[in-house]
Amino acid sequence: GENVEQHPSTLSVQEGDSAVIKCTYSDSASNYFPWYKQELGKGPQLIIDIRSNVGEKKDQRIAVTLNKTAKHFSLHITETQPEDSAVYFCAASMGNTNAGKSTFGDGTTLTVKP
Amino acid sequence: GAVVSQHPSWVICKSGTSVKIECRSLDFQATTMFWYRQFPKQSLMLMATSNEGSKATYEQGVEKDKFLINHASLTLSTLTVTSAHPEDSSFYICSASTTGNTIYFGEGSWLTVV
Repeated sequence: GENVEQHPSTLSVQEGDSAVIKCTYSDSASNYFPWYKQELGKGPQLIIDIRSNVGEKKDQRIAVTLNKTAKHFSLHITETQPEDSAVYFCAASMGNTNAGKSTFGDGTTLTVKP
Repeated sequence: GAVVSQHPSWVICKSGTSVKIECRSLDFQATTMFWYRQFPKQSLMLMATSNEGSKATYEQGVEKDKFLINHASLTLSTLTVTSAHPEDSSFYICSASTTGNTIYFGEGSWLTVV
């Protein structure tokens, strides 16, 4: 089955700096890669996703890049703010089959220091 | 984005009783919903995949007689924890899959068994 590894497990940055979280996956058939932000005591919130026919996607301060050959994808947050502090999860799935059953990374706890 | 609502957000029950958690897709029809369990500072653990009108598919190690899942309509899935014990105390989260297999999560339900 699919295996997703996420690094780093914790990340601390100064407000205004950039943050990068990386994930690797094992199944080359995976074609849908979402990123979720989870605040304490709440469910994960989809913040950005990318499909395998695209190499990069950007939404304001958030961007995701995908390297299918190397089987890794990354989340980039620029101009970080204290409210970006949360746990971030990456996931991989075969988005066109199996109704989106995803394999999740272990999460990255991001702390943005004011 | 799409909205998935979970109810209740928190519940306390006595050992030996059963408790039901509801998951609703508010603005879309979800043929597939997923139920997860999350322990503190850990990733999401998939418990089962719930398909409308058919039996749920449980992950290995998850007791189907203890965690009853019903997906009676395209907008509602329920998880019933039967004969609850303190070790069942956890954060339970549902998600629903839209057309194109984008997955949205509910807000989560905290279960405490006393």
